[in-house]
Order: sequence, then structure tokens, then C-alpha cells
Amino acid sequence: GDSVTQMEGPVTLSEEAFLTINCTYTATGYPSLFWYVQYPGEGLQLLLKATKADDKGSNKGFEATYRKETTSFHLEKGSVQVSDSAVYFCALSDQTGGFKTIFGAGTRLFVKA
Amino acid sequence: DGGITQSPKYLFRKEGQNVTLSCEQNLNHDAMYWYRQDPGQGLRLIYYSQIVNDFQKGDIAEGYSVSREKKESFPLTVTSAQKNPTAFYLCASSTGPIKTFGSGTQLSVL
Repeated sequence: GDSVTQMEGPVTLSEEAFLTINCTYTATGYPSLFWYVQYPGEGLQLLLKATKADDKGSNKGFEATYRKETTSFHLEKGSVQVSDSAVYFCALSDQTGGFKTIFGAGTRLFVKA
Repeated sequence: DGGITQSPKYLFRKEGQNVTLSCEQNLNHDAMYWYRQDPGQGLRLIYYSQIVNDFQKGDIAEGYSVSREKKESFPLTVTSAQKNPTAFYLCASSTGPIKTFGSGTQLSVL
């Protein structure tokens, strides 16, 4: 079945450092890909999305490119802030209306001042 | 503003007790979902509903029950058959692949 694998955390960075969180997927067909963010004690919020190969999703300085050839959707940010500390989830939804979303295990990010 | 409201924020269950978690949305979304989140793990789907009066089991439905009598509401009951209920429970809704989440309910066992 479909699956999502993302790098284990926690990831600890200093403020203004470059961030990469790796995400790879297995899926039949052409899924849509997402990054969600979860701040402490809260639900998940959509951070960015990409619906087809070579699409780049971006939001709040974060970017991820849908790479079909490597089945990857790595999250990047050029300069992280303390406020970016959260758990980041990579996810995919299949073509059948998107009712079932597969989430990765999440990667916790700590940013130090 | 539209959104999803989960209540209560914190809930404690005694052994042998059933408890119900509330989830209400005013986004006019057709589909609603319940997920369970354990520390350091991803989200696991408990139940989902695509339309009123219809719902399907997810990956870990044993020990849980749901109802969907109104479009806006999708309550989850954690029954006494669920032997390890301590977790963070998230409700979500959608009209397509993008999910909107509530702020969650932390359930603990006394």
C-alpha cells in the first residue's frame, strides 16, 4: 500500500540555519503531496502542497518540490526562526477524491536562539 | 470564522467507562475524520465519514464508535473495549484532499 517515510528527529538548528527535512513516498498512480505543521498542543495546519510532478509548493519561506523520479518531497527553508519550532508531517493523498491521507511519522524541529 | 471545534481539550477516563469526544465543524465540509496520535508517531485513522448517516472504519477502529447524524457533527466514543486509550485525538474535515484539523483532545486514563 501507499506509504510515507520521513527523516527521524529531533532536528536541532540554530536560528538562521538552513533546514532540510527529507520525505520519500511510495504510491500507485499520481498522488498529491503535502507538508503539515503541528505546534505544541494544537492540531495540524497545512503548510504547503503540490499536486503533480515538478510542482513546487511554497509558504512562509518553506519550499518543497514534487520529484516523481526520486519519489521525494523534501521540505526546505533557507533561514529558520525560533518560531518555526514544531513537528512537521509529510503526507500524500491518492487520486480517489483524497479522502484517505497517509501521514509520515513526523519530524520534530527545535530552533535555538 | 469557519473552523473545527473539538471539546473537551483534556479528558480523563476511568476504567470500564465510555467517554465521548466532540467534534463540530462550520466549514460545510462533507467528509470528516478521526485520527489518533501517540507520542513520536504519525496519525492513525480511526473512522471517517463521507456523508451524513454513513461512516467507515479506518485502520484502528476496534474499541471506538462514531455517529454522523448531522453534517456538522462527528462525535467519537472511546469504549471500555479500548484497553490503551491514552492518546491525542484529532478530528478533521475536508471537501477534497486538504484536511482542516481541530485543536485536539488529550485523553488520559485515571
